[in-house]
Amino acid sequence: DIQMTQSPSTLSASVGDRVTITCRASQSIASWVAWYQQKPGKAPNLLIYKASSLESGVPSRFSGSASGTEFTLTISSLQPDDSATYYCQQYNSYRALTFGGGTKVEIK
Amino acid sequence: QVQLVQSGAEVKKPGTSVKVSCKASGYTFTDYYIHWVRQAPGQGLEWMGIVNPSGGTPTYAQKFKGRVTLTRDTSTSTVYMELSSLRSEDTAMYYCARDDVGLLASDYWGQGTLVTVSS
Repeated sequence: DIQMTQSPSTLSASVGDRVTITCRASQSIASWVAWYQQKPGKAPNLLIYKASSLESGVPSRFSGSASGTEFTLTISSLQPDDSATYYCQQYNSYRALTFGGGTKVEIK
Repeated sequence: QVQLVQSGAEVKKPGTSVKVSCKASGYTFTDYYIHWVRQAPGQGLEWMGIVNPSGGTPTYAQKFKGRVTLTRDTSTSTVYMELSSLRSEDTAMYYCARDDVGLLASDYWGQGTLVTVSS
């Protein structure tokens, strides 16, 4: 099974900072990666699909990229509302999902 | 608008079973598969399986094979997740989520159902 190793597990940054979260796949998975934001007590919310496509309605400060087996979520200018936990997700040809361990983003 | 509405919280004893429902509306029920994902308190997301509302055999995560059963009722646009032989480690929030194969992601999620397993 493919593993998704997400880092860091937590990060603290200031409003306006550029924030980067990384997921590394244990083997090549093309661009079948999505990113979700989850706030306490709520269901996950889709931000990015197919590694770099922005979901409708998601602020443009969120972006995704891929390089080989490394996938990155970037928040270009951190806002107070971005305090949340972020998860990467790999989607395979059998429609099975694998999630990264999550990154909790805190505002300093 | 697309909605996935799940059944209410459950408290179960170890060794018993729980059945959680997920009622879809706002789209053609048979056009999209449904995933089930769980989240233990303070932990990450864990995929359990996927069901095709049009029929066919569901796909289950290896960890849950033999304990989880996914079914659907097209007459009510509802999918069900039944988990048996419950243990305390199954205490978690259980989510259904719509699979969009075009996005390779889940674009709509239910509100979650808390299942507590306690003697």
